[in-house]
Amino acid sequence: DAKTTQPNSMESNEEEPVHLPCNHSTISGTDYIHWYRQLPSQGPEYVIHGLTSNVNNRMASLAIAEDRKSSTLILHRATLRDAAVYYCILRVPLTQGGSEKLVFGKGTKLTVNP
Amino acid sequence: DAGVTQSPTHLIKTRGQQVTLRCSPISGHKSVSWYQQVLGQGPQFIFQYYEKEERGRGNFPDRFSARQFPNYSSELNVNALLLGDSALYLCASSLARFSTDTQYFGPGTRLTVL
Repeated sequence: DAKTTQPNSMESNEEEPVHLPCNHSTISGTDYIHWYRQLPSQGPEYVIHGLTSNVNNRMASLAIAEDRKSSTLILHRATLRDAAVYYCILRVPLTQGGSEKLVFGKGTKLTVNP
Repeated sequence: DAGVTQSPTHLIKTRGQQVTLRCSPISGHKSVSWYQQVLGQGPQFIFQYYEKEERGRGNFPDRFSARQFPNYSSELNVNALLLGDSALYLCASSLARFSTDTQYFGPGTRLTVL
């Protein structure tokens, strides 16, 4: 399965920007890069996804390297509610049915200090 | 609109028993995926169903089975429970089954096997 590498943990202060890195050196040309986060005692929550260009939405920005072997999730102003495990994911094709699955790693645990 | 719902919230079983977990997707979503999350790890893919057909299966033994009903709700069954089956079981729904389709996760069912 396609793999991503993320730091185990990161710390930030409230209202400061946070840059969460992810390496995906085995990415193929058609793989989308997805980010999900998991708040304590909840299921994962979609954050953002992209293919080649940088992407922005109301939650975050995604910066994708030109060679697509790495990407960075940017939270512009961290809040206490952003404390979660952040997963960088490549969707992997399933051998049957033409579908895809999410392959999660261990993710990065983000701590936000008040 | 209601999100993905799962029942029960918590479950305690003993080794050798059988368990059935239930998932109701977001209205209009035709794809349901199941994931197992062991403490401290990211979710691991178990099954995906789309239009009531199995579209993919992860690396889990045959003790794990699932089905999707005409209303797109789904059940995950686990037979002959082992201590190692203790985990959070997550259900995710999406409109279809393509790489850009966002998966929406439920809160999960916490299964404890004694």
